Amino acid sequence: EVQLVESGGGLIQPGGSLRLSCAASGFTVRSYYMHWVRQAPGKGLEWVSVISAGGVTYYADSVKGRFTISRDNSKNTLYLQMNSLRAEDTAVYYCARDCGGDCYHASDYWGQGTLVTVSS
Amino acid sequence: SSELTQDPAVSVALGQTVRITCQGDTLRSYFASWYQLKPGQAPVLVMYGENKRPSGIADRFSGSTSGNTASLTITGAQAEDEADYYCNSRDSSGNVYVFGTGTKVTVL
Repeated sequence: EVQLVESGGGLIQPGGSLRLSCAASGFTVRSYYMHWVRQAPGKGLEWVSVISAGGVTYYADSVKGRFTISRDNSKNTLYLQMNSLRAEDTAVYYCARDCGGDCYHASDYWGQGTLVTVSS
Repeated sequence: SSELTQDPAVSVALGQTVRITCQGDTLRSYFASWYQLKPGQAPVLVMYGENKRPSGIADRFSGSTSGNTASLTITGAQAEDEADYYCNSRDSSGNVYVFGTGTKVTVL
């Protein structure tokens, strides 16, 4: 059974750093594209970042230069390192598995999300 | 432009049909996927590609694309379909993804 479990969220002051983790089971993270998506309170879904099976990374303009997506193949875990955090980064962060080209890069499995609150 | 525009809200009577649309230039190049989001729950993929439903998604959900517009149709809406729906696709580079603005579906 495919499962994604996020952790690492919490309350952090503006300018601070936080690392989110997404532990995967039931499949191998290194074989799939993996995404981070967020939802700010009262707002819609916002795509944040993707890492390809080959390790190539892309970011939304809103987080480029501040966030870094990575994975640890030995732990089958996806990460999001978030630096220089701002109040507008406050959101529930989801990790999601991309089912690949055969399904037009839709995200077929999602974690339950972890809440990041940036506030002084 | 990589923006995807959706109507903010639609309502449908129980058992009737509702269509949710998603407009954006990128949809001329890439198919949309559609996600259902209920409060406190993770998003659920309900449609992808050209009218493809993931396993476990009711067949009352269908999809289509014409030009720069993707549509998700619920035929015979049920109370459990009340949720926010988001389309998603890629921008012109094919490397960056974007979500639509979201549509709140109310089942009356």
